[in-house]
Amino acid sequence: AQSVTQLDSQVPVFEEAPVELRCNYSSSVSVYLFWYVQYPNQGLQLLLKYLSGSTLVKGINGFEAEFNKSQTSFHLRKPSVHISDTAEYFCAVSWGGSNYKLTFGKGTLLTVNP
Amino acid sequence: DGGITQSPKYLFRKEGQNVTLSCEQNLNHDAMYWYRQDPGQGLRLIYYSQIVNDFQKGDIAEGYSVSREKKESFPLTVTSAQKNPTAFYLCASSMLFADSTDTQYFGPGTRLTVL
Repeated sequence: AQSVTQLDSQVPVFEEAPVELRCNYSSSVSVYLFWYVQYPNQGLQLLLKYLSGSTLVKGINGFEAEFNKSQTSFHLRKPSVHISDTAEYFCAVSWGGSNYKLTFGKGTLLTVNP
Repeated sequence: DGGITQSPKYLFRKEGQNVTLSCEQNLNHDAMYWYRQDPGQGLRLIYYSQIVNDFQKGDIAEGYSVSREKKESFPLTVTSAQKNPTAFYLCASSMLFADSTDTQYFGPGTRLTVL
């Protein structure tokens, strides 16, 4: 079965530190990859997505992610976090072909401390 | 502004009652979706609709029902058959369903609590 794994359920960091949120997916010929952010008691907002082309994708709020096909990973990074980045982050994958559904990871709660 | 609205924001249900959650979009999107979110579980697909008057079961459809009579609206009914309905419910839409590259846009959610 196709699956998405977010390796860390919680990531605490200090303000201005770098952060990496990890995401791995089950292998397939073609995948489309998304990162969403959810602030408390709100809906999800798209941060960035990888469809094809350059493996380094830049998104909103200074986030970027790198698609690594050999390691089936799509890790999210930010060089310097702010208090306002405290939120839950979801990796999502669509495998294309006849399967149009989006499969979500279980989420990573990023907590930025002063 | 274009977007997705969900109402109510908070909903309380007594055991044995059916309740309906509203979802409206003015993005002119064909596809709409309902997800359930539980702590530490990510999002799970309940139902989806590709076009008006058509909808399909997702991964956890038991105890839920939907309708799609208008392009803009995709209400979700949580029936008394749903044994554990307390959760955060998210509605989403995308321009097309049959496009794996398409972005899904989410509403602000409804938090349902069973008393």
